[in-house]
Amino acid sequence: NAGVTQTPKFQVLKTGQSMTLQCAQDMNHEYMSWYRQDPGMGLRLIHYSVGAGITDQGEVPNGYNVSRSTTEDFPLRLLSAAPSQTSVYFCASSHKSGRRNTEAFFGQGTRLTVV
Amino acid sequence: AQRVTQPEKLLSVFKGAPVELKCNYSYSGSPELFWYVQYSRQRLQLLLRHISRESIKGFTADLNKGETSFHLKKPFAQEEDSAMYYCALKPNFGNEKLTFGTGTRLTIIP
Repeated sequence: NAGVTQTPKFQVLKTGQSMTLQCAQDMNHEYMSWYRQDPGMGLRLIHYSVGAGITDQGEVPNGYNVSRSTTEDFPLRLLSAAPSQTSVYFCASSHKSGRRNTEAFFGQGTRLTVV
Repeated sequence: AQRVTQPEKLLSVFKGAPVELKCNYSYSGSPELFWYVQYSRQRLQLLLRHISRESIKGFTADLNKGETSFHLKKPFAQEEDSAMYYCALKPNFGNEKLTFGTGTRLTIIP
């Protein structure tokens, strides 16, 4: 049972480059989300999805795109990387509200550096 | 808008002493509250949630709706409790966003 799998674990980008962070879950969770973790700022929500074909913006969506074509996958795209996007990124998934267990499960994180 | 506040960024406690990590929230409805923990070089994981009313690793947290607080407590700190702790809020229905506080880094002094 893999849970939430994120790839890659580490990435260095040059300013202006684009890339996609991958996230997959095998728990049939409806809800998936992306956070960035910065010192002193906790985890800030970038984008989230409540099901396939449905996405919405979180607290800090600028510079990021997402799509949810399947229940399992929720990739995060950086369109044109900037140094301000240097951070640790976490993907999370959970059942939606109303289900018995809404615990969020997290990936191991992606440490991204933009130079 | 939903908001979670953790006033202490850093907290150091001697081994065997009581621990209290503070969490206050603002939300107009009835939320679900969680504590998540991140041990060194590990992924975030759920520590406890207010609905289950259980004690995990000796930690408890009581939801105080009057004070809008969900403080995490443990009577006797252990060295393995050193970690980053995040309080989180999720609305019970409608908005699915899981909102985190800024986190408290707990260090247990041997």
